[in-house]
Amino acid sequence: EDQVTQSPEALRLQEGESSSLNCSYTVSGLRGLFWYRQDPGKGPEFLFTLYSAGEEKEKERLKATLTKKESFLHITAPKPEDSATYLCAVRALSGGYNKLIFGAGTRLAVHP
Amino acid sequence: ETGVTQSPTHLIKTRGQQVTLRCSSQSGHNTVSWYQQALGQGPQFIFQYYREEENGRGNFPPRFSGLQFPNYSSELNVNALELDDSALYLCASSWDRGDQETQYFGPGTRLLVL
Repeated sequence: EDQVTQSPEALRLQEGESSSLNCSYTVSGLRGLFWYRQDPGKGPEFLFTLYSAGEEKEKERLKATLTKKESFLHITAPKPEDSATYLCAVRALSGGYNKLIFGAGTRLAVHP
Repeated sequence: ETGVTQSPTHLIKTRGQQVTLRCSSQSGHNTVSWYQQALGQGPQFIFQYYREEENGRGNFPPRFSGLQFPNYSSELNVNALELDDSALYLCASSWDRGDQETQYFGPGTRLLVL
C-alpha cells in the first residue's frame, strides 16, 4: 500500500538552530515528491517538487533532497517566520490516474 | 493572475444535511482536485476533475460527489452529513493532469457538522 510517513511530528527550534525534517515513502510508480508549507487555518503553499534520487532544490533557508526511499527538508538558520506545518506528498499512479498521497506533516515552531 | 479561491470560508451544518462547497481554479488550469483534511492530519484525496469529467477517486463514499463546469470551476457536494465530515476541505488546481504538473491549493473551507 502506498504510504508517506513524516518525522518528527513536532519540532521546536531556537532561532538560528538548523535541523532537518524527514519524509519516508513507500509507493509504486513514484511520479514526483512534493513539499508544501501550511500555516494554521490556511491551504498548503507549494515549496518544491523532486523527481529523481539525488535531486536537490533550494529556496531561501530551505533545501530539499531526495533518495530512493526518503526526502529531507533541511532548514538552515531558521527564523520565527518559518514556523508552520511542513507537508510532504508523493504523486503515485493508482487505478490509472495520478493522485497525491500526503504525510501527516511536521509542526515546526521556531522561537526567538 | 488570480490564485485558487474557495467559498464559503466557514460553514456550520447539522448531521443529515447536505452541503455544497465551491472552488474557482487558477486562471488557465483545467484540472481540479478536492481533499479533506482532518485536524492534525495531512490532506486526503477525494477526487479529481479534468475537463469536466471525474478523473480519479479516493476512498470516499458516493455521498461525496462533484462537478466541474466549462470554466473549470468546481463544486464538492456532500449528502447526509456525518459528524466525522467535520474538516478543512481543500481544492487544488493544476495546468493539466500529467506527471509534471504542480497542484496549487486554495485557502480551504472549514466545515463543522454538529
